[in-house]
Amino acid sequence: EVQLVESGGGLVKPGGSLRLSCAASGFTFSSYSMNWVRQAPGKGLEWVSSISSSSSYIYYADSVKGRFTISRDNAKNSLFLQMNSLRAEDTAVYYCARGTGATSHLDYWGQGTLVTVSS
Amino acid sequence: DIQMTQSPSSLSASVGDRVTITCRASQSISSYLNWYQQKPGKAPKLLIYAASSLQSGVPSTFSGSGSGTYFTLTISSLQPEDFATYYCQQSYNTPFTFGPGTKLDIK
Repeated sequence: EVQLVESGGGLVKPGGSLRLSCAASGFTFSSYSMNWVRQAPGKGLEWVSSISSSSSYIYYADSVKGRFTISRDNAKNSLFLQMNSLRAEDTAVYYCARGTGATSHLDYWGQGTLVTVSS
Repeated sequence: DIQMTQSPSSLSASVGDRVTITCRASQSISSYLNWYQQKPGKAPKLLIYAASSLQSGVPSTFSGSGSGTYFTLTISSLQPEDFATYYCQQSYNTPFTFGPGTKLDIK
């Protein structure tokens, strides 16, 4: 069974940093691209970042470029999101999601971890 | 960036109804269009990928169509568990933008 479990969320002050993790199991992690998608309270979904299976290709939304860094450790079946210079507008539930196929659709999602940026 | 729009933004319907949700892209995205269902407090769930391919385990009451800039998600006979918010998403190029969502509730 495919499982994605996020961790690392919490309350952080504006300008602070946080590192999210996503532990994957039930599939060959090193064969799939991975993504972070966030959802601000009461709002819609926003794609944040994507990393290819071998980390060769990395993409970011403009809203986080230069502040967030996506990475992965295929040996440990783990995905990460290092978030620096956090702003109030980064407050959201952050989901990790697996990308599949030529169309890179997101077929499995974690349960999400809440990041709150507030003083 | 490719902008995605959805209509309607909200919809009231009854069990057994047939409903259609529309998604438009600001430029051609071929068939790189996916549909997700999200219930309150839960992660999104993939329903349709590549515009018309039904994800494994998803009831056949769900179907998708379209290509280029115009896409639809149709639920042929609404079930109680289908009341949720639906999002389209383009995966043609990054940023992989989502539509604003369509909230489907019970009439």
